[in-house]
Amino acid sequence: DGGITQSPKYLFRKEGQNVTLSCEQNLNHDAMYWYRQDPGQGLRLIYYSQIVNDFQKGDIAEGYSVSREKKESFPLTVTSAQKNPTAFYLCASRGQIYTGELFFGEGSRLTVL
Amino acid sequence: SQQGEEDPQALSIQEGENATMNCSYKTSINNLQWYRQNSGRGLVHLILIRSNEREKHSGRLRVTLDTSKKSSSLLITASRAADTASYFCATDLYSGGGADGLTFGKGTHLIIQP
Repeated sequence: DGGITQSPKYLFRKEGQNVTLSCEQNLNHDAMYWYRQDPGQGLRLIYYSQIVNDFQKGDIAEGYSVSREKKESFPLTVTSAQKNPTAFYLCASRGQIYTGELFFGEGSRLTVL
Repeated sequence: SQQGEEDPQALSIQEGENATMNCSYKTSINNLQWYRQNSGRGLVHLILIRSNEREKHSGRLRVTLDTSKKSSSLLITASRAADTASYFCATDLYSGGGADGLTFGKGTHLIIQP
């Protein structure tokens, strides 16, 4: 089945540790996105990538980093510089940049202990 | 920055009734999209309406768009328990240049009472 796979589904981190969330898609989409969701806040854009080896900051990129070495993969690293990392992280992709519908993964819930 | 804002924040209705939720946005758009999210899950795309369209249907869903008022509404007819979820409107950031990605509102939490 075509889709987006995020892992892990649940992740616990101690303060000061970096963690990497995986996002893989087999939809052959060029564009991929990372969103953060907090209760009552809706979704906020962290980073996006329209093509391999290129990515752009979204609204809340501070404390996060990404890479796009392969079309299928867009991992997100939550660094120790992120002050409030506990959240639900959603990865998405779409075939038409700027205008198409987004396909989402099932999300990764990160909790900082 | 939050582009879309849904109203109401929460809505509880009886099964079989119609549910209407609204979305307002601030700047010009290419299209407006509606998504559904079940608790703890990813978002699922429901419908996309382009800026030159006024109304669109998909099964039990009806979406309207009024660009002069910068608002949209989502109507779910003959609601079912399985429609219980959060519903989000989203608009594209793109306006002839600049950032890519969708901007989401905070959502309407819909509860269908059996």
